[in-house]
Amino acid sequence: AQKVTQAQTEISVVEKEDVTLDCVYETRDTTYYLFWYKQPPSGELVFLIRRNSFDEQNEISGRYSWNFQKSTSSFNFTITASQVVDSAVYFCALSEGGYGGSQGNLIFGKGTKLSVKP
Amino acid sequence: KAGVTQTPRYLIKTRGQQVTLSCSPISGHRSVSWYQQTPGQGLQFLFEYFSETQRNKGNFPGRFSGRQFSNSRSEMNVSTLELGDSALYLCASSLETSGGSDTQYFGPGTRLTVL
Repeated sequence: AQKVTQAQTEISVVEKEDVTLDCVYETRDTTYYLFWYKQPPSGELVFLIRRNSFDEQNEISGRYSWNFQKSTSSFNFTITASQVVDSAVYFCALSEGGYGGSQGNLIFGKGTKLSVKP
Repeated sequence: KAGVTQTPRYLIKTRGQQVTLSCSPISGHRSVSWYQQTPGQGLQFLFEYFSETQRNKGNFPGRFSGRQFSNSRSEMNVSTLELGDSALYLCASSLETSGGSDTQYFGPGTRLTVL
């Protein structure tokens, strides 16, 4: 069965600290997709990144970076030099299925609430 | 390009009533999915529509239903509301051109309170 685990329920850091949000997933499929979303207090889920199971390259986007390791079934997210505006709940999600598979079934972790204090 | 829009943003109903929520996807997006978010259960998948057909369904009772129109707009309906249906209902749309899991873009949600 598919499952996404975000073991860190809440993290609090001081501005400019680096912080890593952990995500561990379970799936039997060889083709799958992993996502990170940010949910600020307004409630809307904001898309951050999508990776497919065949692309283990790490990715960096500004202060954000992602480390995908199939060997440990992990897809961790690091924010460098955190800012107050990074305060939000962050969700890791998994979607299975290859070509022609259904699009809709995102399996979400429980989320990690990040608080960045000035 | 406008994002996913959902109406209404807030709704208060009483037990036993029914409710209809609306979602307009990003222009050109053909797939619409619905999710329920509660503090206890987190984000859970309700159903997905593509070309006016329900293609995938989560583990929710039959009181939860939906539909999609020819312009890809979608509605979801909850009948005989229960207190436990109080939640944030999120709609997401995706482009779906080549199969696989396209990125889903979410709307702001409808916060439903059942009294």
